[in-house]
Amino acid sequence: QKEVEQDPGPLSVPEGAIVSLNCTYSNSAFQYFMWYRQYSRKGPELLMYTYSSGNKEDGRFTAQVDKSSKYISLFIRDSQPSDSATYLCAMSWYNFNKFYFGSGTKLNVKP
Amino acid sequence: EAQVTQNPRYLITVTGKKLTVTCSQNMNHEYMSWYRQDPGLGLRQIYYSMNVEVTDKGDVPEGYKVSRKEKRNFPLILESPSPNQTSLYFCASSLDGYSGNTIYFGEGSWLTVV
Repeated sequence: QKEVEQDPGPLSVPEGAIVSLNCTYSNSAFQYFMWYRQYSRKGPELLMYTYSSGNKEDGRFTAQVDKSSKYISLFIRDSQPSDSATYLCAMSWYNFNKFYFGSGTKLNVKP
Repeated sequence: EAQVTQNPRYLITVTGKKLTVTCSQNMNHEYMSWYRQDPGLGLRQIYYSMNVEVTDKGDVPEGYKVSRKEKRNFPLILESPSPNQTSLYFCASSLDGYSGNTIYFGEGSWLTVV
């Protein structure tokens, strides 16, 4: 079983839709949870970062962590064609010196 | 501007011909790492370094070497490349190896081994 599972998609939505991206994980020790956005032929860039449980909001993006279910989500409101990219989740724990990445979900927002 | 710079960005090489992919960061980060990205497999860590002269294996270290002689540089060496090392490679740096909110990735190096 992989440490982090992520549906690869692709996920295709119309412009303006609410998008929900998810990852599940198996290791209850994870404390730090990240979402990265990767445009085609580019390096991943940090989008959202959460420590422990709860929600975090930044503009149109909301990251949610449910440690009891070992489940994290990224919500994108009012999705735009410029949001079309691959979204990777990642997680770690204190002093672990390693990040576990999901395989990424490809999102296409149609104008 | 915070930056991780990798070179070359694109390379086609032949089996067995040694090559080095350079990585340099300008943020004085202690932690640096190399990943390879393959379709359906996500980012897999090859090697990482906690600081100068401190390196350790990641999940897929076979066929690769690294060195960390200076804090800013972390080259990836393929001593005898094979076709199964054809991949997209990313170098990353961060303040530490766990908190994740300071990770910067390079633009990637597309490597093809024929």
